[in-house]
Amino acid sequence: QVQLVQSGAEVKKPGASVKVSCKASGYTFTSYGISWVRQAPGQGLEWMGWISAYNGNTNYAQKLQGRVTMTTDTSTSTAYMELRSLRSDDTAVYYCARAVITFGGVGWFDPWGQGTLVTVSS
Amino acid sequence: DIQMTQSPSSLSASVGDRVTITCRASQGISNYLAWYQQKPGKVPKLLIYAASTLQSGVPSRFSGSGSGTDFTLTISSLQPEDVATYYCQKYNSAPRVTFGQGTKVEIK
Repeated sequence: QVQLVQSGAEVKKPGASVKVSCKASGYTFTSYGISWVRQAPGQGLEWMGWISAYNGNTNYAQKLQGRVTMTTDTSTSTAYMELRSLRSDDTAVYYCARAVITFGGVGWFDPWGQGTLVTVSS
Repeated sequence: DIQMTQSPSSLSASVGDRVTITCRASQGISNYLAWYQQKPGKVPKLLIYAASTLQSGVPSRFSGSGSGTDFTLTISSLQPEDVATYYCQKYNSAPRVTFGQGTKVEIK
């Protein structure tokens, strides 16, 4: 079955960086993209960006431009999301999700990874 | 940027009731809309894409409709297991992806 398995919880200090991994299985990795979505405690879903596993093209949310980098390793079917210069308001559960590639770019997300809690605290 | 506004932000209904959630886009987005269900403490789950296409395995009591700027998610007969927060999501067109703020559904 299609599955996305994310790396474990992280605790970081303000100003540090975090890199979350997302290992895909059960489908042809390069036929889809991977999108990253985060959810702060008690809040809604915030789209962070996506990467095409087909050609590596990326598109990031404007508010995260310059702080986030998304990459893939097609040899291991793994996607990565690195967020730099962490602040306390980056504390959230970070999800990866398989993204359908449409003619306009990114489509809907299914399935989602189990989530990775990133806590930013001094 | 295109904004997605859901209403209501929360609702309480009885088992068996028909429940309707609305999502409005600030500009036309054709049918580039998906709906997700997030149960408490769980991972979001895709319910509907392309505004009205039911994802495989999703109960038929869920349906979606709309095009352009106005969309609805309907639960024809609310069940206890439908307690969740529901999110709409626009995709495809710049700036690519935006989620609505969510609608929390509870049982009365």
